[in-house]
Amino acid sequence: QQQVKQSPQSLIVQKGGISIINCAYENTAFDYFPWYQQFPGKGPALLIAIRPDVSEKKEGRFTISFNKSAKQFSLHIMDSQPGDSATYFCAASDRDDKIIFGKGTRLHILP
Amino acid sequence: DTGVSQDPRHKITKRGQNVTFRCDPISEHNRLYWYRQTLGQGPEFLTYFQNEAQLEKSRLLSDRFSAERPKGSFSTLEIQRTEQGDSAMYLCASSPLGGLGETQYFGPGTRLLVL
Repeated sequence: QQQVKQSPQSLIVQKGGISIINCAYENTAFDYFPWYQQFPGKGPALLIAIRPDVSEKKEGRFTISFNKSAKQFSLHIMDSQPGDSATYFCAASDRDDKIIFGKGTRLHILP
Repeated sequence: DTGVSQDPRHKITKRGQNVTFRCDPISEHNRLYWYRQTLGQGPEFLTYFQNEAQLEKSRLLSDRFSAERPKGSFSTLEIQRTEQGDSAMYLCASSPLGGLGETQYFGPGTRLLVL
């Protein structure tokens, strides 16, 4: 059972454009939603996270939008740069503390 | 650098052999997690420790897998009688105390290839 569904699998965006990655979850017990960024040969690194009591969180060029009723959340990368090219994972956790990851989106920013 | 470290970074072994991986968490982090990541997939939770106590094990962790964290510092993950399906990246993460919203810091992983 895939508890966190992520789309698209891959994404190509022009430099300066907006990258959008979407996720949906099923388990209503989830109440912490982090996004991780992973470069080849490296472990995932926390990018930004949100709790369901807010609908949006912004940190620099990265914004999470959260829709609790639809059980969906998304990552927006504004002014995308070639250095943003990486694999992005949405994730969710509940009070058990273990993180459930989506399958990932490979983002490529064209120079 | 005081991040999470893992050793070895790469391991090639033959089917049936035993392998052991080591993880050194960030100093004074009480929680330590093991995840497995296969190609094109997100990491999957395997097990975690609060200090030296192993609190939860995933169904993914068959009897051939064992993890320890003696003295609540570094941790080892051993796979006995390896199978080709064990080929994956094994990731370790740590967090200060654990609990909702606590950031988990990942190491670079150990990539295992079973021939």
